[in-house]
Amino acid sequence: AQSVAQPEDQVNVAEGNPLTVKCTYSVSGNPYLFWYVQYPNRGLQFLLKYITGDNLVKGSYGFEAEFNKSQTSFHLKKPSALVSDSALYFCAVSFLLNDYKLSFGAGTTVTVRA
Amino acid sequence: ETGVTQTPRHLVMGMTNKKSLKCEQHLGHNAMYWYKQSAKKPLELMFVYSLEERVENNSVPSRFSPECPNSSHLFLHLHTLQPEDSALYLCASSQDSVGQPSSGYTFGSGTRLTVV
Repeated sequence: AQSVAQPEDQVNVAEGNPLTVKCTYSVSGNPYLFWYVQYPNRGLQFLLKYITGDNLVKGSYGFEAEFNKSQTSFHLKKPSALVSDSALYFCAVSFLLNDYKLSFGAGTTVTVRA
Repeated sequence: ETGVTQTPRHLVMGMTNKKSLKCEQHLGHNAMYWYKQSAKKPLELMFVYSLEERVENNSVPSRFSPECPNSSHLFLHLHTLQPEDSALYLCASSQDSVGQPSSGYTFGSGTRLTVV
């Protein structure tokens, strides 16, 4: 069963506009949630994670994500997108029944146009 | 550099060749992973090593053979590959404890493999 879903294959925004990349999860217990970014022909780079505590997590490059338990979501946000934010974004979840290994979503391609 | 180094960055090989991909981490992590990333497909977890022991092998064809000689090095030996094996192969490492949530993975830059 899929444990994390990214419902959008692609997100297109204009530079300067808010950027949101959606992620929902379906695990029992307390999930640990991560966002990674991948630039062309590179590995995945860690952006931020939620383990416990404040539901709003701030990460690298001005990104933040909000853990919403009632909606089982962990959407990635940036108030003002840059062209350089164009990349592939992955949501991942770690949970007890999966021996705490990371399960990755299928990825969302973000394109920010100038 | 992330602390996880993969070599070579690019590899072109014939279907009858034998080659190896190398991954090295200098982070003191105790777990290492091989992932396959093909165009338009989700990341595929291939192998997991924890404390140098293989703990997971996700139905990967035998033409892929992993080796973990110590906690810092991970290899993926390749032989008689098929064109559909062309992909970006990513290595990752993590510091994990039994019964504890993952602290997250650190990825290398990958090896772009083309099988001709």
